[in-house]
Amino acid sequence: SQTIHQWPATLVQPVGSPLSLECTVEGTSNPNLYWYRQAAGRGLQLLFYSVGIGQISSEVPQNLSASRPQDRQFILSSKKLLLSDSGFYLCAWSASGAHYGYTFGSGTRLTVV
Amino acid sequence: AQSVTQPDIHITVSEGASLELRCNYSYGATPYLFWYVQSPGQGLQLLLKYFSGDTLVQGIKGFEAEFKRSQSSFNLRKPSVHWSDAAEYFCAVGAREYGNKLVFGAGTILRVKS
Repeated sequence: SQTIHQWPATLVQPVGSPLSLECTVEGTSNPNLYWYRQAAGRGLQLLFYSVGIGQISSEVPQNLSASRPQDRQFILSSKKLLLSDSGFYLCAWSASGAHYGYTFGSGTRLTVV
Repeated sequence: AQSVTQPDIHITVSEGASLELRCNYSYGATPYLFWYVQSPGQGLQLLLKYFSGDTLVQGIKGFEAEFKRSQSSFNLRKPSVHWSDAAEYFCAVGAREYGNKLVFGAGTILRVKS
């Protein structure tokens, strides 16, 4: 069966520090991968999605970047964190085809101080 | 582009009472529709989905939802709410024409009072 792993679960980082959040999927090949951010009371905002290795689409301009170095690995990064980067970050995967829906990881709570 | 509206930010129901969470979407053709549930500090879990066939779909945890094309709605229902159902619920819509991207509603927070 397919599983998605996301880590760390919580992270407290100072302003101006770098960020690296990792997401990996097991049990499937060539998944579509997504990074979402969930700020308090603001629903889910799609940040990046990827349909293959090295293929990244950005939904909103921001202080973050994403990379997909391997088929089942998706990394969210920042060179210098801002206070506004605080939030709950969710990784998700889907098979090809919108009707499959997404499977989400357990999320990372990022607090920038 | 497709969009999703969940008109209720918060809903409070008594344990054992029935529940209906509203979801309206905006899209011209037949969309793919989903309901997810999120417990505090957790990821989202798929409750049910619709993409064709019977317009009344059954999901996990005793939930069901009905697709009504004429009303552009996909409301989530449960006949008897349990305290463990307290969570945030998200409706989402996708479409083949928009690739694999889902658009999520803003969510409805369900509180259950004993």
